[in-house]
Amino acid sequence: QVQLVESGGGVVQPGKSLRLSCAASGFGFGDYGIHWVRQAPGKGLEGVAFISKDGNYEDYVDSVKGRFSISRDNAKNTVYLQMNSLKVEDTAVYYCAKDQLGFFGYYFEYWGQGTLVTVSS
Amino acid sequence: DMQMTQSPSSLSASVGDTVTITCRTTESISRYLNWYQHKPGTAPKILIYDASTLHTGVPPRFTGSGSGSDFTLTISSLQPEDFANYYCQQSYSSPYSFGQGTKLEI
Repeated sequence: QVQLVESGGGVVQPGKSLRLSCAASGFGFGDYGIHWVRQAPGKGLEGVAFISKDGNYEDYVDSVKGRFSISRDNAKNTVYLQMNSLKVEDTAVYYCAKDQLGFFGYYFEYWGQGTLVTVSS
Repeated sequence: DMQMTQSPSSLSASVGDTVTITCRTTESISRYLNWYQHKPGTAPKILIYDASTLHTGVPPRFTGSGSGSDFTLTISSLQPEDFANYYCQQSYSSPYSFGQGTKLEI
């Protein structure tokens, strides 16, 4: 069955870096785009980053542009989110999600269980 | 990034009630609109995609409608397991943004 497992979360000081991983199984990994979505404490869901199935296209929400970088290794069925210059407001549970094409657009059919990132001094 | 306005932010209802949640976008997105249910400590779950298509296994008491920039999610005959947070999401332009969420509580 489809599985997405995030790892790499933890407690980090402001200005430091962290790399999250999303290990996928149970589907043709190289055929799907992958997204990172976060939920800050007491807040709603926020789409953070996207990488296309071949890794040639990336996109980011404005608040992380220039600080976060998404990449993928299709040989290892893994997507990464490199987070640099972390801010307190980056504190959140980070989910990875696999996209699925409907008739019109994409939706997130499968999600991981999330990994908590806490940015605090 | 595209802005989404979801309302209400919270909603109180009882088992058996019918409730409606609305989502508005700042520009027309045709039918590129999804709805998710999210319960604390779990991964979000897709309910409806393409504005009105029910995802496999989702009960038919969930219905979505709308196109362009105005969309609604209606939950009929509320069941105890429906009390959760609900989010709309646009898939018209990446990164796909979400509405602020609606907390549906008893």
